[in-house]
Amino acid sequence: EIVMTQSPATLSVSPGEGATLSCRASHSVSSNLAWYQQRPGQSPRLLIYGASTRATGIPARFGGSGSGTDFTLTISSLQSEDYAVYYCQHYTNWPLTFGQGTKVEIK
Amino acid sequence: EVQLLASGGGLVQPGGSLRLSCTVSGFTFTNYAMNWVRQAPGKGPEWVSSISASGADTYYADSVKGRFTISRDNSKNTLYLQMNSLRAEDTAVYYCAAHRSGQSVYFDYWGRGTLVTVSS
Repeated sequence: EIVMTQSPATLSVSPGEGATLSCRASHSVSSNLAWYQQRPGQSPRLLIYGASTRATGIPARFGGSGSGTDFTLTISSLQSEDYAVYYCQHYTNWPLTFGQGTKVEIK
Repeated sequence: EVQLLASGGGLVQPGGSLRLSCTVSGFTFTNYAMNWVRQAPGKGPEWVSSISASGADTYYADSVKGRFTISRDNSKNTLYLQMNSLRAEDTAVYYCAAHRSGQSVYFDYWGRGTLVTVSS
């Protein structure tokens, strides 16, 4: 099983500032990496797949990069609706696994 | 509008059974593989099971293999999860999620989730 590790656990960011979230895989997942956003009380929402491709309707301020074992989600200028928990997920093989999440909170 | 409505959750004793359903609308059900993903309180999501668009192929996490069964009825646009021999560690919100058939398994659409609590 591939273990996904996210850091930091919590990120405090002021509105309008940028944020960088990290996700590391215990084994190479190539570019088979997705990012999700989960707002309080809501279901997760797909942001990024293929490590860097934005899903339909996702604003350009969200960007993904990386391959192999190290990945980054960048939010260029935080809006109020971006304060949420973010999860990475690999889909290289079974079982699919998620990271434990990074909470982005208001500074 | 895409909608996935999960139902069937509730309180069940350890060792008991429960059947979850997920009714889909807003997209062509037979073009999508379907999945169950659960999330324990305060934890990250955990993939549980997947089923191909035709229903011919199924996949399970080791933690539920032999206890849970995923199925679908394409005539009713409905996904199911039969959960037997439930344990306390199965307590979670269960989401149904969809991904396009033939696509890699990342989840384009998610339902609202249904809470399963296993406790005596």
